[in-house]
Amino acid sequence: AQSVTQLGSHVSVSEGALVLLRCNYSSSVPPYLFWYVQYPNQGLQLLLKYTTGATLVKGINGFEAEFKKSETSFHLTKPSAHMSDAAEYFCAVSDEAGSYQLTFGKGTKLSVIP
Amino acid sequence: DVKVTQSSRYLVKRTGEKVFLECVQDMDHENMFWYRQDPGLGLRLIYFSYDVKMKEKGDIPEGYSVSREKKERFSLILESASTNQTSMYLCASGPGQGLQPQHFGDGTRLSIL
Repeated sequence: AQSVTQLGSHVSVSEGALVLLRCNYSSSVPPYLFWYVQYPNQGLQLLLKYTTGATLVKGINGFEAEFKKSETSFHLTKPSAHMSDAAEYFCAVSDEAGSYQLTFGKGTKLSVIP
Repeated sequence: DVKVTQSSRYLVKRTGEKVFLECVQDMDHENMFWYRQDPGLGLRLIYFSYDVKMKEKGDIPEGYSVSREKKERFSLILESASTNQTSMYLCASGPGQGLQPQHFGDGTRLSIL
């Protein structure tokens, strides 16, 4: 069975600073990997996903993530944080190609300090 | 603008009541999902449906049932509500066979007293 670990339930960064949200996974087969964002009082939105091919994936709002198989990681980054990035971020993994079963991490709440 | 609409943002019910949570999507998606979200636990899948009248149990189906009579509508039913079902419930939809949820509703915060 697959699992997802998000390091740090809360992360604070200054406006303009680098955002780095960590995600490690375990899976017995090549995974599909996802990042979702949840703004306050809203549902989740898909930020980006990795299925196959290029390991650096670009998503919406300037975010990107890199799949590193050797490190079993899929960390989310953004070069310069905006106040509007304050939200909760969830990493998720699907361990079968084409499976609609996702295993979610517990989430990381990002705060952006002016 | 694509939408997944959940009928209630906040709902308060009593122990033992039968509770219905409704979800409608306007994207003609085949797949629909019900998740439960609790602090520190992330999202957990309750049920999903890949077609009208078709359903599969997720990770935590106990105490819940679902109904999908029309493609655009997916209902979650708490047969006899209990206090441990107090939670945030999220509906989602996704296109095609074997594809993951893409669009989520804004959630229903359900309190069972």
